[in-house]
Amino acid sequence: GENVEQHPSTLSVQEGDSAVIKCTYSDSASNYFPWYKQELGKGPQLIIDIRSNVGEKKDQRIAVTLNKTAKHFSLHITETQPEDSAVYFCAASRPSNTGKLIFGQGTTLQVKP
Amino acid sequence: DAEITQSPRHKITETGRQVTLACHQTWNHNNMFWYRQDLGHGLRLIHYSYGVQDTNKGEVSDGYSVSRSNTEDLPLTLESAASSQTSVYFCASGSGTGNYEQYFGPGTRLTVT
Repeated sequence: GENVEQHPSTLSVQEGDSAVIKCTYSDSASNYFPWYKQELGKGPQLIIDIRSNVGEKKDQRIAVTLNKTAKHFSLHITETQPEDSAVYFCAASRPSNTGKLIFGQGTTLQVKP
Repeated sequence: DAEITQSPRHKITETGRQVTLACHQTWNHNNMFWYRQDLGHGLRLIHYSYGVQDTNKGEVSDGYSVSRSNTEDLPLTLESAASSQTSVYFCASGSGTGNYEQYFGPGTRLTVT
């Protein structure tokens, strides 16, 4: 079945450095790739998403890149701040699934002041 | 403001008991989803619904059921709770009309003793 692999499982960076989280997906028909941020004790929050018709999308300090040929996509956070510390999840969906998402295993990001 | 709520936020129950977790959204979204979150597994889909009277099984549906009698609510029932169902449960909703975005509730932490 459809599978999404996420790496690394934990990531520790110094405040101000960049962080990169990578995901690979198995279903070549997938066309929607969101990223969620989950803070302790809360539900996941959508922070950015990308569709298969674009290769990159930016929103202030975060960006997502997509390589359809290699079937992988990445989250880039620049100028990290302590409040970026959280668990990040990637996900993928194919057009026929009407919003049904397959999630990666999550990455715990720690930003050290 | 429109929102998605879950209740209770915390629940302790005994093995074999029936438990129902509530999910209520005020966005008038067609799509609603139930996930469970366990360490090392990320978010796994239990059941989902694309509208009133529609329900579908996800990847980990055994031991769970849902019903959709109106647009706003998708209660999740554990027919006979088992210790393996100790987890954090998240409900999510999405408009589904060509829009894949999902919005999550705050979660219910369920402990089965």
